Amino acid sequence: SQQGEEDPQALSIQEGENATMNCSYKTSINNLQWYRQNSGRGLVHLILIRSNEREKHSGRLRVTLDTSKKSSSLLITASRAADTASYFCNAGNMLTFGGGTRLMVKP
Amino acid sequence: GAVVSQHPSWVICKSGTSVKIECRSLDFQATTMFWYRQFPKQSLMLMATSNEGSKATYEQGVEKDKFLINHASLTLSTLTVTSAHPEDSSFYICSARDSVDTQYFGPGTRLTVL
Repeated sequence: SQQGEEDPQALSIQEGENATMNCSYKTSINNLQWYRQNSGRGLVHLILIRSNEREKHSGRLRVTLDTSKKSSSLLITASRAADTASYFCNAGNMLTFGGGTRLMVKP
Repeated sequence: GAVVSQHPSWVICKSGTSVKIECRSLDFQATTMFWYRQFPKQSLMLMATSNEGSKATYEQGVEKDKFLINHASLTLSTLTVTSAHPEDSSFYICSARDSVDTQYFGPGTRLTVL
């Protein structure tokens, strides 16, 4: 079974708005990673958050992790058209992926 | 972050031919690499785990004789699609795991079988 299911499946926002996507998982993990995939390209590693961390920032990205709820969120602030992509989470270094969140940022 | 390359980035071939795809970790050694395939608008599906110096581990439903994997060194794994058919047309992505368990992905190879 997949370790990491993203929600929502699709998200459409205007440039400048914030985008929030969520990830739920089932078993205990040591870390959780978020990836971005542009259409027809490979996955780009965005950020890794460890199980003893609650929040982590990287540029316009903010990731939270709630191990009690087995969930994580990825917030992209001040979104840009170039942020349009699919976003995947991967919990606990599992080799399976959920369907991702398809983010569209309209200029 | 670490870099993983794939070659070629795209390939078009005739039905019945074999195609080899290379995956390289450019700035780190990877004892384990992974091969995925992805159909349009779908998620990645793990095909096999490539282990340096030993046989690959295939996921259920993946034909090992059709998708040959060779992990000859700590920085190179190859996937050969043998006797390719149109249904093998897909986007193939490899990844490599570094020493702190982060997976880095290659840019993918678009295979089109005519």
